[in-house]
Amino acid sequence: KAGVTQTPRYLIKTRGQQVTLSCSPISGHRSVSWYQQTPGQGLQFLFEYFSETQRNKGNFPGRFSGRQFSNSRSEMNVSTLELGDSALYLCASKGSSSTDTQYFGPGTRLTVL
Amino acid sequence: GQNIDQPTEMTATEGAIVQINCTYQTSGFNGLFWYQQHAGEAPTFLSYNVLDGLEEKGRFSSFLSRSKGYSYLLLKELQMKDSASYLCAVTREGGSYIPTFGRGTSLIVHP
Repeated sequence: KAGVTQTPRYLIKTRGQQVTLSCSPISGHRSVSWYQQTPGQGLQFLFEYFSETQRNKGNFPGRFSGRQFSNSRSEMNVSTLELGDSALYLCASKGSSSTDTQYFGPGTRLTVL
Repeated sequence: GQNIDQPTEMTATEGAIVQINCTYQTSGFNGLFWYQQHAGEAPTFLSYNVLDGLEEKGRFSSFLSRSKGYSYLLLKELQMKDSASYLCAVTREGGSYIPTFGRGTSLIVHP
């Protein structure tokens, strides 16, 4: 079974631009979560999508948005990029059961100049 | 709210045993995960504790005390490849059980 995949793996943008990141979950997984990881703050939860609906949301500004498609693939968008948005963005998928484990993708390393 | 504490960094010697502690304060606590993350890579699942007690899985063991809000990850017969960040994460009852992560403990194993 293929793991969680994320594209692109690396991205360089400038302040004010917008960016879209993509995540394909493990086959059969309907829950997709996004995290931002920085050295100072650790892994911070952005949002979770389940069956094309946002089910949970972390404490990030509205510049961070996402969506999920009918095949469970998910995209995350960040508009009006700031220097502080430089981070590793991780996507994780899990099954429908509450006790299922989350499996992470390799992440997208975003650098904002 | 949730508060998860782990040491920032630990060092140990190859072949030794190390214990990484995690304390948490979480309303509606459900369970606790441990993940391993090598530099530049994705976190990988190590263990999941819901009930009190010790769960052993090869060289790694994880312990949970729900009444004390405390867990530890025990690594035996340390190897150089165990140098990584170890993330403690808790889930709450209700909702979709999305884990909230601590800041991680960076473990450095010396020869």
